[in-house]
Amino acid sequence: EPEVTQTPSHQVTQMGQEVILRCVPISNHLYFYWYRQILGQKVEFLVSFYNNEISEKSEIFDDQFSVERPDGSNFTLKIRSTKLEDSAMYFCASSMTSGDEQFFGPGTRLTVL
Amino acid sequence: GNSVTQMEGPVTLSEEAFLTINCTYTATGYPSLFWYVQYPGEGLQLLLKATKADDKGSNKGFEATYRKETTSFHLEKGSVQVSDSAVYFCALGPNQAGTALIFGKGTTLSVSS
Repeated sequence: EPEVTQTPSHQVTQMGQEVILRCVPISNHLYFYWYRQILGQKVEFLVSFYNNEISEKSEIFDDQFSVERPDGSNFTLKIRSTKLEDSAMYFCASSMTSGDEQFFGPGTRLTVL
Repeated sequence: GNSVTQMEGPVTLSEEAFLTINCTYTATGYPSLFWYVQYPGEGLQLLLKATKADDKGSNKGFEATYRKETTSFHLEKGSVQVSDSAVYFCALGPNQAGTALIFGKGTTLSVSS
């Protein structure tokens, strides 16, 4: 069964460093998403991506964040200068259309020291 | 704006007990409603969904009914198993203009034999 994969499973970084979180969505899906969950809090939407551009983003997704689909398979989330409060579990998801079920990856746990 | 409120956990039950996890929502329009489950070390998986009022979603013995009059989508299972131990998330589907899922905080279920 096709699945969304994410790497790494755990990333530790120093405050101010850049990190790139990687995702491989399901191959025939057209919509891609990033969500995050700070420990003990809700899963929060960050951004959705379709047809090589951002289709929706939340208030959390400020200028420190960017997304890219550098090739036909990867979907990345970059945080330019990490802050302590960026420590969270980051989930990638994909769907065939915008209203369809979203399939989630296992997440990357980001720890900013 | 749209939001989801989910009962706080953890919920601890014995095997074969009846499970209810409450979920209520606030929404404009009539979005789809979802329950996602996260087993230890894995990503979010869709458990069931309902796309309109009075629809009942069901899967693996779990059920939830989309109740417009009480704005609720409570998750139930008649007889839980140890393997049901996981975190359960209620989620509100995208509105017509958007793509984001809106999640509740998650409820941890622990079932003992």
